[in-house]
Amino acid sequence: EDQVTQSPEALRLQEGESSSLNCSYTVSGLRGLFWYRQDPGKGPEFLFTLYSAGEEKEKERLKATLTKKESFLHITAPKPEDSATYLCAVQAYRGGGADGLTFGKGTHLIIQP
Amino acid sequence: DVKVTQSSRYLVKRTGEKVFLECVQDMDHENMFWYRQDPGLGLRLIYFSYDVKMKEKGDIPEGYSVSREKKERFSLILESASTNQTSMYLCASSSPGDRGSHEQYFGPGTRLTVT
Repeated sequence: EDQVTQSPEALRLQEGESSSLNCSYTVSGLRGLFWYRQDPGKGPEFLFTLYSAGEEKEKERLKATLTKKESFLHITAPKPEDSATYLCAVQAYRGGGADGLTFGKGTHLIIQP
Repeated sequence: DVKVTQSSRYLVKRTGEKVFLECVQDMDHENMFWYRQDPGLGLRLIYFSYDVKMKEKGDIPEGYSVSREKKERFSLILESASTNQTSMYLCASSSPGDRGSHEQYFGPGTRLTVT
């Protein structure tokens, strides 16, 4: 059974204070690891896909990295508008076709001005 | 931009009612999904479809059914709504990427309350 654990559950930072969110996973053959951002009352917004250990992706103040057991979402000099819940999800190889994602419970990030 | 729309943002139904949640995507995606999201439990997969008239059970299909008569439309049906189906329902769609990935794009969600 695929599992995704995110830590911490909640994180409060001052504006400009960099930090990292963790996503630990176990999956039988990783097809892809995904990061999403979710604002209150809205659907998740796609951020990144990572495919293999050592891969990195960047977008503005966010950088995602991947190892064989975990992924990190690094937030550099965050701004209040970066406040959101960040979700990590994995997709396993199951012989082709579509498969649903297995999500972690998310990290609720608050950036204080 | 990918656009996934859901028929209602908020819905209130009574126990025992039949409930239809509609989802439409405009990107010609093959795959469509229904999740529910509950505090402390995260997003859980209910059903998905990889082609018209095809459906597969997800992790929590009990009490739900789905219909996909057209490629762009995927419906979630609660045959007899119960209070434990009060939740946020999220629809998503995807298509294989260059490396076979299936990043999913989500709609805005329907917050369903069953009283």
